[in-house]
Amino acid sequence: DIQMTQSPSSLSASVGDRVAITCRASQSISNYLNWYQQKPGKAPKLLIYAASNLQGGVATRFSGSGSGTDFTLTISSLQPEDFATYYCQESYSIPFTFGPGTKVDIK
Amino acid sequence: QLQLQESGSGLVKPSQTLSLTCAVSGDSISSGGYSWSWIRQPPGKGLEWIGYIYQSGGTYYNPSLKSRLSMSLDMSTNQFSLQLSSVTAADTAVYYCARGTQYRPSTRTTDVFDIWGQGTKVTVSS
Repeated sequence: DIQMTQSPSSLSASVGDRVAITCRASQSISNYLNWYQQKPGKAPKLLIYAASNLQGGVATRFSGSGSGTDFTLTISSLQPEDFATYYCQESYSIPFTFGPGTKVDIK
Repeated sequence: QLQLQESGSGLVKPSQTLSLTCAVSGDSISSGGYSWSWIRQPPGKGLEWIGYIYQSGGTYYNPSLKSRLSMSLDMSTNQFSLQLSSVTAADTAVYYCARGTQYRPSTRTTDVFDIWGQGTKVTVSS
């Protein structure tokens, strides 16, 4: 199975901050990498697919980059509604695995 | 707009079978280009993909669960289902159903989970 790691595991930031979350795969997954946002008690929401493609309806302050084993989710200007947990997920091979998550909370 | 809604047994005894159903509204599960997945999240933990089923009835399961797992589609009711046998406390989780949309980032096609149900909590306890 492909192992996914994320860093940091949590971070505190202020509204307006630029935030970057890193995801690393245990082997090359090309650009088969997706990002989800999850708020407490809610289902995950797809933000980015294929490493850098913004899902329809998602705010343009979210962006994704990377290929191979290293990927980054960037929020250009953090908004109050962005405080949540973010997961990366590889769709390169079965079983599709998720990263452990990065919790973004208010400083 | 497509919506998914999970339902099923909220409390299951150890060694018994967990059964869940996902009702799909807003589109037919027989539409091509999609898979229908189950994903779970133990309390306070991360997400685990369980498996998915295609319109054709073809299935792909997480190898860690494969020996206990069964998924099916019912096109007459526009639902798909999950059965997990011989459950233990480790199977306690919120279970989500999700639609997978096929896309091709590189040389081959895969799925991304673009629409999710709200989740249903399942507790394994005697």
